[in-house]
Amino acid sequence: DAGVTQSPTHLIKTRGQHVTLRCSPISGHKSVSWYQQVLGQGPQFIFQYYEKEERGRGNFPDRFSARQFPNYSSELNVNALLLGDSALYLCASSVSGTGGIINTGELFFGEGSRLTVL
Amino acid sequence: DQQVKQNSPSLSVQEGRISILNCDYTNSMFDYFLWYKKYPAEGPTFLISISSIKDKNEDGRFTVFLNKSAKHLSLHIVPSQPGDSAVYFCAAPLTGNQFYFGTGTSLTVIP
Repeated sequence: DAGVTQSPTHLIKTRGQHVTLRCSPISGHKSVSWYQQVLGQGPQFIFQYYEKEERGRGNFPDRFSARQFPNYSSELNVNALLLGDSALYLCASSVSGTGGIINTGELFFGEGSRLTVL
Repeated sequence: DQQVKQNSPSLSVQEGRISILNCDYTNSMFDYFLWYKKYPAEGPTFLISISSIKDKNEDGRFTVFLNKSAKHLSLHIVPSQPGDSAVYFCAAPLTGNQFYFGTGTSLTVIP
């Protein structure tokens, strides 16, 4: 079975540009979350979508937006790129929209999209 | 605010010995904890978890211990193998799938 797939794997943008990152979850998974991992840090939560609705948003500016499509794939959009947006963007899928012991809570991550902003 | 902390950025251990990775948390609302392992150029992969109703969970060479009163958990790897060399993240979910991750500990197992 295919795991979580992300595209593109690497990309370089310049300040002020816009970027769209894409994610396809594991078949049967209805929840997609996005995380940003800056070098030397742990992943930071950006968004969660479940059944095409936003279920959570981290402490990121409005330049970051996302959506989930009827097939449960997702896009992360970042406008007006800043140098500080350079990071590995990770997509994770899970069976359910809730974490904790009741619903497994495991996230399955893709390999990430490495964004470099010059 | 760093609600999950891993204070050791790196750890080196001889092959066959025990590796102990530590994690502290501040939010008493966390009731489930996970460890993820990450190799370079790959996404994190789930390793082992523990719920707050337990103080120990074991899976093969990997054991996670939870001390709720101290808000501390640790991952023990016995015996350590060179293939265990990776970055290990401690994580805890709060609402939905909003996971809080530590900054990671880079484990090197020396053959």
